[in-house]
Amino acid sequence: AQSVTQPDIHITVSEGASLELRCNYSYGATPYLFWYVQSPGQGLQLLLKYFSGDTLVQGIKGFEAEFKRSQSSFNLRKPSVHWSDAAEYFCAVAPGLNYGGSQGNLIFGKGTKLSVKP
Amino acid sequence: DTGVSQDPRHKITKRGQNVTFRCDPISEHNRLYWYRQTLGQGPEFLTYFQNEAQLEKSRLLSDRFSAERPKGSFSTLEIQRTEQGDSAMYLCASSAGNNEQFFGPGTRLTVL
Repeated sequence: AQSVTQPDIHITVSEGASLELRCNYSYGATPYLFWYVQSPGQGLQLLLKYFSGDTLVQGIKGFEAEFKRSQSSFNLRKPSVHWSDAAEYFCAVAPGLNYGGSQGNLIFGKGTKLSVKP
Repeated sequence: DTGVSQDPRHKITKRGQNVTFRCDPISEHNRLYWYRQTLGQGPEFLTYFQNEAQLEKSRLLSDRFSAERPKGSFSTLEIQRTEQGDSAMYLCASSAGNNEQFFGPGTRLTVL
């Protein structure tokens, strides 16, 4: 069965420090991969997505993620964290090969809560 | 703002009551999804519509749950005979085909 693992439940970083949030997936083929951010009282916002091509993907708000097939990972990074980045981050997958014809429902990890120290 | 909207934002009900939530997708988005998110978990897929047709239902969606999208625009999710285990955030998302899903703010349900 498809699954997504986010090993870190809660991470605290200092403002201005670099950030890496881990995501591993379990799927037979290369899935479509996503990172979403959820702030309190807000809906999920898409940060970036990977469908194919360049394995380093740039997203909004200065985030990037790298797809590593050999490690089944899609880690999210940011070189310098801002206090406004404090939120919960979710990695998600969708069936890749059948995406065009499938329902395209997303399978989410349990999330990583990011706290930012001043 | 023409994003996905959900109503109500919060609902408190007593066990055994019926509740209905509404989702208005981004106009012209033909796909609409419902997810459920419980505390400490990521969203879990419930069901999905393409236009007015309900094409997929998760096994999480028990017989007490029903969803409709009568004219291929807004959708409703009804829970009958609510149980305490139904307490969760119910999220709606819409997309144009198999493109990015845009999420609404969610409806938080508390069953007492």
